Amino acid sequence: DAGVIQSPRHEVTEMGQEVTLRCKPISGHDYLFWYRQTMMRGLELLIYFNNNVPIDDSGMPEDRFSAKMPNASFSTLKIQPSEPRDSAVYFCASSFSQPPPRTFGSGTRLTVV
Amino acid sequence: AQTVTQSQPEMSVQEAETVTLSCTYDTSESDYYLFWYKQPPSRQMILVIRQEAYKQQNATENRFSVNFQKAAKSFSLKISDSQLGDAAMYFCAYGSGNTGKLIFGQGTTLQVKP
Repeated sequence: DAGVIQSPRHEVTEMGQEVTLRCKPISGHDYLFWYRQTMMRGLELLIYFNNNVPIDDSGMPEDRFSAKMPNASFSTLKIQPSEPRDSAVYFCASSFSQPPPRTFGSGTRLTVV
Repeated sequence: AQTVTQSQPEMSVQEAETVTLSCTYDTSESDYYLFWYKQPPSRQMILVIRQEAYKQQNATENRFSVNFQKAAKSFSLKISDSQLGDAAMYFCAYGSGNTGKLIFGQGTTLQVKP
């Protein structure tokens, strides 16, 4: 089992550019979560999916953020346009049904300059 | 809404000694789970221990144990015989049994002194 796979591991982009973060959950897991980690706000839940359907996106900061899960093995988190305050580590996590816990990916460190 | 509070931003412990990290939470749900995750400098999130709210017995995993006080909504982590490899940030987390949501406290940075 390869675990939750995120790409890229690091991303540096200029303000205003579109950024796409990718996640491959563990095969068979039916929940997928996106988290953002910053020093100021800690670990925030952005959105989560169950069986590819978004269940709760109340943590998505604003309309510049969007997430999709076109199939059970792939999800993206897109920021368009990116801003310096979006700089953070973004984690993807997956789990099998209820209850938690989650298996986390290694995260993507995003830097917007 | 559920909340998780870790009131100790930083803690330190001498190698081989015991340390306790504190966590309190607030919820109106009856079906929930509590967790401690460890995040070393590699930033990988590692599950340390879990506790089902319906279980009265405190969970234990080798050197790690919890003190779960349901009425007080308290969930502390005790690390016995601390090792240098235990140095990391520790997050307390609440998992809803109803919605599947998992939310985190602000974290406690643990330093282990040789």
